[in-house]
Amino acid sequence: AQTVTQSQPEMSVQEAETVTLSCTYDTSESDYYLFWYKQPPSRQMILVIRQEAYKQQNATENRFSVNFQKAAKSFSLKISDSQLGDAAMYFCAYRPETSGSRLTFGEGTQLTVNP
Amino acid sequence: SAVISQKPSRDICQRGTSLTIQCQVDSQVTMMFWYRQQPGQSLTLIATANQGSEATYESGFVIDKFPISRPNLTFSTLTVSNMSPEDSSIYLCSVDWIRGRLGETQYFGPGTRLLVL
Repeated sequence: AQTVTQSQPEMSVQEAETVTLSCTYDTSESDYYLFWYKQPPSRQMILVIRQEAYKQQNATENRFSVNFQKAAKSFSLKISDSQLGDAAMYFCAYRPETSGSRLTFGEGTQLTVNP
Repeated sequence: SAVISQKPSRDICQRGTSLTIQCQVDSQVTMMFWYRQQPGQSLTLIATANQGSEATYESGFVIDKFPISRPNLTFSTLTVSNMSPEDSSIYLCSVDWIRGRLGETQYFGPGTRLLVL
């Protein structure tokens, strides 16, 4: 069974600084997708970034980038130039490539951004 | 991405009653998923709903407690039956967005916040 682990229940960062959220996962699949979702106090789940396992290049979306280490089964999220609006719960998620397959979520990391 | 709406956005219910949550998508989608998020916890998949077939439930969830309908490719409902305070959670629907590779990304509705007294 696939598992996703986020070892940092809480993190904090100063505004304009950089923070890295950790995620590791366990799978026997070779093809899969990894995601970071953001959940602000509104509880809306917002897709932040997506990584295909077959791609060696790390995904980047503006201030958000990932460090994908397939052999180590590690998928960390780096937030650069942190903004107050980045404060939220961040969930790492895994999904096999099989069509219609489910997402498996980590336990989440609560990020606080200090002004 | 798909635009997903849920009704109601929140509700307070008495134990023993049932609540039906609606999920509407602005595009036709193959798969719809229902998740539960208990207070302070991560998301747990309840079931997967395909149009025209019975929903597939995850371990720990049963049809009698969480009946699901999927009458067409843009709509689904989840009913929380015979509610108890332990059912107090946020319930979220999500859909596959087909873009290039099949079903690669899931997008979520805004959630239904349920409190059972």
